[in-house]
Amino acid sequence: DSGVTQTPKHLITATGQRVTLRCSPRSGDLSVYWYQQSLDQGLQFLIHYYNGEERAKGNILERFSAQQFPDLHSELNLSSLELGDSALYFCASSSGTNSYNEQFFGPGTRLTVL
Amino acid sequence: GENVEQHPSTLSVQEGDSAVIKCTYSDSASNYFPWYKQELGKRPQLIIDIRSNVGEKKDQRIAVTLNKTAKHFSLHITETQPEDSAVYFCAAIHNNAGNMLTFGGGTRLMVKP
Repeated sequence: DSGVTQTPKHLITATGQRVTLRCSPRSGDLSVYWYQQSLDQGLQFLIHYYNGEERAKGNILERFSAQQFPDLHSELNLSSLELGDSALYFCASSSGTNSYNEQFFGPGTRLTVL
Repeated sequence: GENVEQHPSTLSVQEGDSAVIKCTYSDSASNYFPWYKQELGKRPQLIIDIRSNVGEKKDQRIAVTLNKTAKHFSLHITETQPEDSAVYFCAAIHNNAGNMLTFGGGTRLMVKP
């Protein structure tokens, strides 16, 4: 157990819908990262937040947005869902912003868009 | 941006043999190279990492080497065991890129008993 929690574990929804994925970082970690893992794209970085502020964006679609709240938990919002958005979404956390800070991954949320 | 390539995509070895997975990266500013192991349906877990100022690091049966000049780094697993069977990902990261991990495509390692 990494100490990072994600809810829900599984999510099944229809095209065009909107969903929210939630992540709670390890106690004391200020950085939260979101990654998408799909069969064709592999593991891809989406976005990084540090203490409530956005630090970096990867190839995140405009239909996707995220935020980190004052209690440091983070939410990833996916809207106008398409079949291709079906994937495993991981949240990771680390203590700071140094590249050497290990990123601890949560168990993931499996999203299925029908 | 950074691009990480990983080879081979699948690797099958006999128990007790060694396994080597190779990665190349494109951005010379990358300064940290972690390796993750992912079992089916589970989260990636860090197994070993190396910083850009180090050429080699070893932890029991696992070692990683880094050639900064050639922008290559490799994972070596000796005396493989069936429980080593998993997908292994290399990654590269640097401070200037917001700490985003850029992953290789993964290697599915199968250790046959």
